[in-house]
Amino acid sequence: KQEVTQIPAALSVPEGENLVLNCSFTDSAIYNLQWFRQDPGKGLTSLLLIQSSQREQTSGRLNASLDKSSGRSTLYIAASQPGDSATYLCAAYSGGGADGLTFGKGTHLIIQP
Amino acid sequence: NAGVTQTPKFQVLKTGQSMTLQCAQDMNHEYMSWYRQDPGMGLRLIHYSVGAGITDQGEVPNGYNVSRSTTEDFPLRLLSAAPSQTSVYFCASQNAGGYNEQFFGPGTRLTVL
Repeated sequence: KQEVTQIPAALSVPEGENLVLNCSFTDSAIYNLQWFRQDPGKGLTSLLLIQSSQREQTSGRLNASLDKSSGRSTLYIAASQPGDSATYLCAAYSGGGADGLTFGKGTHLIIQP
Repeated sequence: NAGVTQTPKFQVLKTGQSMTLQCAQDMNHEYMSWYRQDPGMGLRLIHYSVGAGITDQGEVPNGYNVSRSTTEDFPLRLLSAAPSQTSVYFCASQNAGGYNEQFFGPGTRLTVL
């Protein structure tokens, strides 16, 4: 059974810093890995999706990498802003019998103005 | 496109009551899923569907029923609500196959007294 772990559980940094969020997964046989953002009381917004054949994806100040062999993905946020404050979730899609995403528990990020 | 819509946004039930959480998508996606999100547990898959007329169980299916009579709609039914079903419920959809991103609805916050 796939298990996804996110470290750290919470992170607080001053505005302007570059930061890295970590995600690890136990089963490397994934189809893709997706990063989401969740604001308090809101739904999930897809940020980046990395296919199993890809090494990284970029969108604006966000860059996500994937290393299947080591079971790791990172989300890099450049020049952080207070508006980046949210919970960031990673999810691995492995297919199989229970056809859905396996989520980590998230990293709660606070960017201090 | 409205994307994935869910109704209601909030609901309070008494133990033993029944209700249906509605989910609809207008992207002609084959795959639809229901997740629940609980503090400290992350998001967990309840049921999923790979197309009209086809449904299957996810990680935590007990106490929930689903049906998929059309591509657009995927309702989740609670037949006899229990306090353990107090949670936030998210519906998601994606194109067939494991390489496409999942899109989430805004969620339904359910409290069972």
